[in-house]
Parts: sequence; structure tokens; C-alpha cells
Amino acid sequence: GQNIDQPTEMTATEGAIVQINCTYQTSGFNGLFWYQQHAGEAPTFLSYNVLDGLEEKGRFSSFLSRSKGYSYLLLKELQMKDSASYLCAVRDTGNYQLIWGAGTKLIIKP
Amino acid sequence: ETGVTQTPRHLVMGMTNKKSLKCEQHLGHNAMYWYKQSAKKPLELMFVYNFKEQTENNSVPSRFSPECPNSSHLFLHLHTLQPEDSALYLCASSQGTANTGELFFGEGSRLTVL
Repeated sequence: GQNIDQPTEMTATEGAIVQINCTYQTSGFNGLFWYQQHAGEAPTFLSYNVLDGLEEKGRFSSFLSRSKGYSYLLLKELQMKDSASYLCAVRDTGNYQLIWGAGTKLIIKP
Repeated sequence: ETGVTQTPRHLVMGMTNKKSLKCEQHLGHNAMYWYKQSAKKPLELMFVYNFKEQTENNSVPSRFSPECPNSSHLFLHLHTLQPEDSALYLCASSQGTANTGELFFGEGSRLTVL
């Protein structure tokens, strides 16, 4: 079956670093996406990994290990505005549609 | 306007009502999607349209009826819904469907079925 697992909720402190993990078991793999969704707003694209390794984009980085079926999103220098849900999704090779995790709600405390 | 716009933002309906959700994208994309988002559950893909043609119907009950008159507009017609259909309905667009890049989402229509 298709399965994407990520923690339901995490709490971190402003200015700190947090790592949100995502593990996946899918029949095919054609890339992994991270999206950010603030409460009451649209999900917005953060990152895309298709090859193993780390992709850095400002304060956010995303890592992929295809052999382990594992990715993480690393957020540095946390700001209050980073409080949001972070959605992990894998693109299937069958119909090229995204298979989604349930999301990780990140709470930032002062 | 830019991006993906959904109306209405909130909708309350009885189980015997008929209503429609509307989505419009101003990004020049040719693929549009309907997703259902329920609390603490993964996004559920409902329908995919590519160049106005439906390419995915993810076993969605017939009480949900999509319509895509052109590549910029997408509707979801609702009739005889059940309380468990209460959720956030998200529209998205992308440039193509196969091997695509990112999805661009609207802010959603929050549906409550009484």
C-alpha cells in the first residue's frame, strides 16, 4: 500500500532549529515535496527533492534518502510566523499524482 | 487577480440542498484539481482535469459532480451530501499533470453539511 508518515505535532522555540521527518512507502517514486499551510490558508510549495541529498533554500532545507524512504525538512532560526502545518507528499510514478502525509503541526513558542 | 481563487470561502448546507463550489486560476495552467482536506487526515485527491478533460476520478461518490468548462475554471457541484462530507475543499492548478512541478492551491471552501 501507499503510506506517508510524519509526526502529528511538534513544538519548538523561537530562534531554534527544528527537523520534521517524513517516511514513505510507495509503489513508485518520482519526487518528494514539502508544503507549508498556515491555518485557514492555502498550502504553499516549499521544496522538491528527487535525488538523494540536501536542498537548501534560505532558512529551510530538505533532505532525501531514497534507499531509506526518508526525508526531513529542517527549519533554522525559527520565527513565530513559521507556526504552520508542514505537509510531505510523494509523487507516484503510476499517474504522477501526489500521495500526501497527514501533516505536522509546528507550534513555535517565544 | 492572481493565483487560484475559490468561492465561496464558507458554505453551510442541508443534506437535501444543491450548491456549487467555484475555482478560477489566473496562472495560465492547463491542469486543475479538487482535493478534500479533513482534520488530521492526508489530502484526498478527488478529480483531475487536464486541458478540460477529466483524467482522474478517485472513486468519488456521485453526489460530487465536477465540471471544467475551460482550463481556467473548475466547479464542484454538490447534491444530497452527507454530514461526513463536511471538510475543506481545495482547488489547485499546475502546468500539466505528468511529471509536473508544484501545485498552486486556492484557500479552500469550508463546507459544513447539517
